[in-house]
Amino acid sequence: RKEVEQDPGPFNVPEGATVAFNCTYSNSASQSFFWYRQDCRKEPKLLMSVYSSGNEDGRFTAQLNRASQYISLLIRDSKLSDSATYLCVVNRNQFYFGTGTSLTVIP
Amino acid sequence: NAGVTQTPKFRVLKTGQSMTLLCAQDMNHEYMYWYRQDPGMGLRLIHYSVGEGTTAKGEVPDGYNVSRLKKQNFLLGLESAAPSQTSVYFCASRRTGEDEQFFGPGTRLTVL
Repeated sequence: RKEVEQDPGPFNVPEGATVAFNCTYSNSASQSFFWYRQDCRKEPKLLMSVYSSGNEDGRFTAQLNRASQYISLLIRDSKLSDSATYLCVVNRNQFYFGTGTSLTVIP
Repeated sequence: NAGVTQTPKFRVLKTGQSMTLLCAQDMNHEYMYWYRQDPGMGLRLIHYSVGEGTTAKGEVPDGYNVSRLKKQNFLLGLESAAPSQTSVYFCASRRTGEDEQFFGPGTRLTVL
């Protein structure tokens, strides 16, 4: 079973829409959680860490449910510049990456 | 600061050839990582290092060797390249006590 599983998408949404990505992890001993963003043919970059209490950074909200081993990312008021692949990452002594969810925001 | 740099950016090898990928970081980070990224597989950890002179195996270490002789450099070696090693290779580094990894721009390797 994969350590981290994500819906690969693609998600195609109009500008201004709200979109949510989900991710599940298999090992309850996982310690920390992140969302990274990867633009086409570029390196991944940290978008935000995910905390049990939930956290928000502008239009982005991340949630963690340890009981269900589930992580989510909500993007409100989508912009064209949000088009990218979003990687769910879990740390359990080493970092495990999901395959990514592709988002295209359409004008 | 240049951050994390990788050399070369692109390379084509024939089966059985060897090569070394170089990763350098100027942030004085203790941890360094080598990942490969393949379609449908996500990033997978090959080897990592927690400090100068130390290395450890990750999820997919077979066919690769690494060395960390200097804190700022982490080398990934392929002794006898195989077509299955065709991939995009990313190096990353991070500071002890912090979670954020900083990635290099990647090396696109094709093995024919």
